Amino acid sequence: DTEVTQTPKHLVMGMTNKKSLKCEQHMGHRAMYWYKQKAKKPPELMFVYSYEKLSINESVPSRFSPECPNSSLLNLHLHALQPEDSALYLCASSQPDLTSGGAWGTHEQYFGPGTRLTVT
Amino acid sequence: SQELEQSPQSLIVQEGKNLTINCTSSKTLYGLYWYKQKYGEGLIFLMMLQKGGEEKSHEKITAKLDEKKQQSSLHITASQPSHAGIYLCGADKTGANNLFFGTGTRLTVIP
Repeated sequence: DTEVTQTPKHLVMGMTNKKSLKCEQHMGHRAMYWYKQKAKKPPELMFVYSYEKLSINESVPSRFSPECPNSSLLNLHLHALQPEDSALYLCASSQPDLTSGGAWGTHEQYFGPGTRLTVT
Repeated sequence: SQELEQSPQSLIVQEGKNLTINCTSSKTLYGLYWYKQKYGEGLIFLMMLQKGGEEKSHEKITAKLDEKKQQSSLHITASQPSHAGIYLCGADKTGANNLFFGTGTRLTVIP
């Protein structure tokens, strides 16, 4: 099973709403990622979890709150979002890179289909 | 900061034609990934290159990383409509799963 699933596929929310995006993988990967992709732009990394611990936060506003309850699941909790947060949110997973100090990560990331979020 | 520039930005080819997409880094790459994305969907991993001069092929797609590890090319032979999509090169910033992507190349294949 090389699939990463994401729910919901589409989400429309108001600026005062609280919602969550979900991501699941059963490949035994111990690194999971959230990316944000605006129209006609490449994906931008938001968060990385390695062994269920947050290892990278790319200075993402606190209205986005990630959670990794176990090695197969990754959530992104959304609260008080702005219209400019509307985007495609992509989840990915991979084996974690265990090297350090600028060495190259050798594991490809598998991506889910994404959740298209619209903030009104 | 390191950047990845792709060229061309978009490409329209007749089915059966060959094409090449380039990815250039402002700094030496430790390695490079190629992904394909259909509009509004997730990314599909194509290939990963790590060593200078390395070349990999899968079906009709060949990717190369130059000796200096600052440029990669993706070559598609005898293109088909199924090759249409956005091609993204990616690199790892720190070796800690911190992937960033190039500007993307939108490929259209006309039957």
